[in-house]
Amino acid sequence: EVQLVQSGAEVKKPGESLKISCKGSGYSFTSYWIGWVRQMPGKGLEWMGIIYPGDSDTRYSPSFQGQVTISADKSISTAYLQWSSLKASDTAMYYCARNPSYYDSSRFDLWGRGTLVTVSS
Amino acid sequence: QSALTQPASVSGSPGQSITISCTGTSSDVGSYNLVSWYQQHPGKAPKLMIYEVSKRPSGVSNRFSGSKSGNTASLTISGLQAEDEADYYCCSYAGSSTSGVFGGGTKLTVL
Repeated sequence: EVQLVQSGAEVKKPGESLKISCKGSGYSFTSYWIGWVRQMPGKGLEWMGIIYPGDSDTRYSPSFQGQVTISADKSISTAYLQWSSLKASDTAMYYCARNPSYYDSSRFDLWGRGTLVTVSS
Repeated sequence: QSALTQPASVSGSPGQSITISCTGTSSDVGSYNLVSWYQQHPGKAPKLMIYEVSKRPSGVSNRFSGSKSGNTASLTISGLQAEDEADYYCCSYAGSSTSGVFGGGTKLTVL
């Protein structure tokens, strides 16, 4: 089955670090981009960034540049989203999604179920 | 970059047609035929409904169609059904430095 499986929900304190994961299966992981999308509670979708696991080419939205790090380990078909110092405002659902197009970063044809990150003291 | 502008809500009766607009700028929607639309039901992940302005992925009903004029893209749903009630988001390519930007989302209510 073609799918993206995301890591489980996290509860963290402000200032802590975190790395969440997204594992692809059923398709050639290195042939598609993987993007990350944030959805804060009760709010809309926000485009964070995207990575091509084949060569780790990574692009960030200016809104998220420097705030998070996107990486991938193609040997285990897994992409990551990480924070070095969480803030309460990072509380959100984070989705990973597959992008089949080199030139169209708006197109996500396969989505994970999301990882809920809660940051609270 | 700013989010694309969508109406907060639209509504229609079963069988009717509705259109959701998505207004950007000459740096995103207006410059590229790379606009996608997503449907999101409560508590679920988004689902791709339209890509490259007007193309439908396999399995998406032909009741869903997309178009673009200038800086505004549109999603039309014809023959409204109860299961179409959901949030809808547009997304546009916005150039190599910005890459992608979503709209604020539109809540569709089927009366």
